[in-house]
Amino acid sequence: ETGVTQTPRHLVMGMTNKKSLKCEQHLGHNAMYWYKQSAKKPLELMFVYSLEERVENNSVPSRFSPECPNSSHLFLHLHTLQPEDSALYLCASSQDWGRLHNEQFFGPGTRLTVL
Amino acid sequence: AQSVSQHNHHVILSEAASLELGCNYSYGGTVNLFWYVQYPGQHLQLLLKYFSGDPLVKGIKGFEAEFIKSKFSFNLRKPSVQWSDTAEYFCAVRSDDFGNEKLTFGTGTRLTIIP
Repeated sequence: ETGVTQTPRHLVMGMTNKKSLKCEQHLGHNAMYWYKQSAKKPLELMFVYSLEERVENNSVPSRFSPECPNSSHLFLHLHTLQPEDSALYLCASSQDWGRLHNEQFFGPGTRLTVL
Repeated sequence: AQSVSQHNHHVILSEAASLELGCNYSYGGTVNLFWYVQYPGQHLQLLLKYFSGDPLVKGIKGFEAEFIKSKFSFNLRKPSVQWSDTAEYFCAVRSDDFGNEKLTFGTGTRLTIIP
């Protein structure tokens, strides 16, 4: 148990649906991250939040919309996705953003399938 | 920007064999280096990390890695693997540059141990 939980664990959605992924960390960390993990590709950083402010947006399409209402919760709102968005979406947290010795703790991921 | 190369995409070994997984990174400055492991159906978890000091780092479950700065390498080793080591292994690097603190991952190496 890493202290980072994600729901749902699996999600199947159509291209016209709107859904949200949820991440919660129980570690008292100040930074939270969304990553995309696709087969045969490196983990891709999507967004970083530090103290509830977005500090990194890695050229992610606007059909992905993050929200960080407090330092323990992170959401990824999805709308009008494409089949190529099917992947494992990982949430992570670390004590702080931008400090060299930070270690990131990962959640189990949400397996997303877009039909 | 930094990048990470993991040359072995899939490694198959018998139990008790010795393991070495390659990781090379491209970045000339100060870096932190990590190996993460993802067991089947489980979340990504930290295996070991290098920040500074002794370049030979010992991690959990008998794994170790050696940082060779001149070769920009951080290879993962284990003298005798077990069936339970079957997993996907990811090397990651983070630079010390202000504004470039994100973690960059390799594509991963899938390790299959045959009993």
